[in-house]
Amino acid sequence: SYVLTQPPSVSVAPGQTARITCGGDNIASKSVHWYQQKPGQAPVLVVYEDSDRPSGVPGRFSGSKSANTATLAVSRVEVGDEADYYCQVWYTWDSNIHWVFGGGTRLTVL
Amino acid sequence: QEQLVQSGAEVKKPGASVKVSCKASGYSLSNHEINWVRQASGQGLEWMGWMNPNTGKAVYGQNFQGRVTMTRDTSINTAYMELSDLRSEDTAVYYCARGRGVGFDPWGQGTLVSVSS
Repeated sequence: SYVLTQPPSVSVAPGQTARITCGGDNIASKSVHWYQQKPGQAPVLVVYEDSDRPSGVPGRFSGSKSANTATLAVSRVEVGDEADYYCQVWYTWDSNIHWVFGGGTRLTVL
Repeated sequence: QEQLVQSGAEVKKPGASVKVSCKASGYSLSNHEINWVRQASGQGLEWMGWMNPNTGKAVYGQNFQGRVTMTRDTSINTAYMELSDLRSEDTAVYYCARGRGVGFDPWGQGTLVSVSS
């Protein structure tokens, strides 16, 4: 299987930039998707294919990737951005596509 | 508006089975894969598997093979996930989500399944 590693928590003051990392072996070769989940709600896709945003997602959310780390950046952080964030990729196993999520990162706005 | 609406909460005893439904509206279920994801209280997201509603092909996660079955009824635009031999550790919120190869969107509202004797 494939493992994605995220920090359990990230804290940032309002107006600052939060960066949430997602590590995985050779993640540069994979498409990374990011989800936001607020308490009691279903996850929502905020970045797909490393750096694209679905319609309706603010431009303050951006994604990037290096050799072994993908990063979700949230600029000009607002109190409403407090949530859990998950990265996701697919991999092949037994000739089929399987999906995996990172463990999630709690973003706290100080 | 494209959305997925799931069935209501369930309470089951250990060893029983549960079947959760996921009805697509605003689009044809046959056009996209349906994935199932679960989340135990206070825990992260765990992918369970996906199904191609057009062909009926299903691929299950390694942790669920042998216990999960994903089916569909395209005449009513509905997908189903059945989990058998339930244990207390299966207590979780179960989500369906449309897969388009570029992430999961949208998601259903979630169905709480509680397993307790």
